[in-house]
Amino acid sequence: EVQLVESGGGLAKPGGSLRLSCGASGFTFSNAWMTWVRQAPGKGLEWVGRIKTNSFGGRTDYAAPVKGRLTISRDDSKNTLYLQMKSLKTEDTGVYYCTTDPSSGFDYWGQGALVTVSS
Amino acid sequence: DIQMTQSPSSLSASVGDRVTITCQASHDINKSLNWYQQKSGKAPKLLIYEAANLEPGVPSRFSGSGSGTHFTFTISSLQPEDVATYYCHQYDYPPYSFGQGTKLEIK
Repeated sequence: EVQLVESGGGLAKPGGSLRLSCGASGFTFSNAWMTWVRQAPGKGLEWVGRIKTNSFGGRTDYAAPVKGRLTISRDDSKNTLYLQMKSLKTEDTGVYYCTTDPSSGFDYWGQGALVTVSS
Repeated sequence: DIQMTQSPSSLSASVGDRVTITCQASHDINKSLNWYQQKSGKAPKLLIYEAANLEPGVPSRFSGSGSGTHFTFTISSLQPEDVATYYCHQYDYPPYSFGQGTKLEIK
């Protein structure tokens, strides 16, 4: 059974940092391009960024609102995807989903991790 | 960057009705477009991939069409369990983007 399980969400202050993790199982994680998608409360889906596989150099791409503040990385030995978040803003509040990139040819989503940025 | 314009933003229809949602891309994205269904408090679920292909296990009343910049998503006969928000999602080239969403309700 395929599973993507996010962890590390919680409350952070503006300007603070948080790291989300996403543990993967049930598929060959090292072969999958991975993506983070977020959703502010009551709002639509927003693409955050993606990371390619190490065979493609582990290249990352980001949405403009998060570039330079959020960093995606992966550890294939642990089947884990990460989202390092720094210089957090209140507008970063929302549910963060770990998902396989559509280019991978399959579509799996985690249950989401809630991040709240508030003083 | 590619912008996705999805319409309508909300829709109310009766059980058995045919429902259509459209997405317009600001640039040619070939067929690099997926359609998702999101029910309240849940992760999105893929319904249609590559613009027109039905994801295995998804009921055949769902369909998609289009290529380039204009895409259409159709529910041929609306069912009560189809109440949800629907999103188009382009993945032709990063930054990827989603449509604004269509909230579908039953009359």
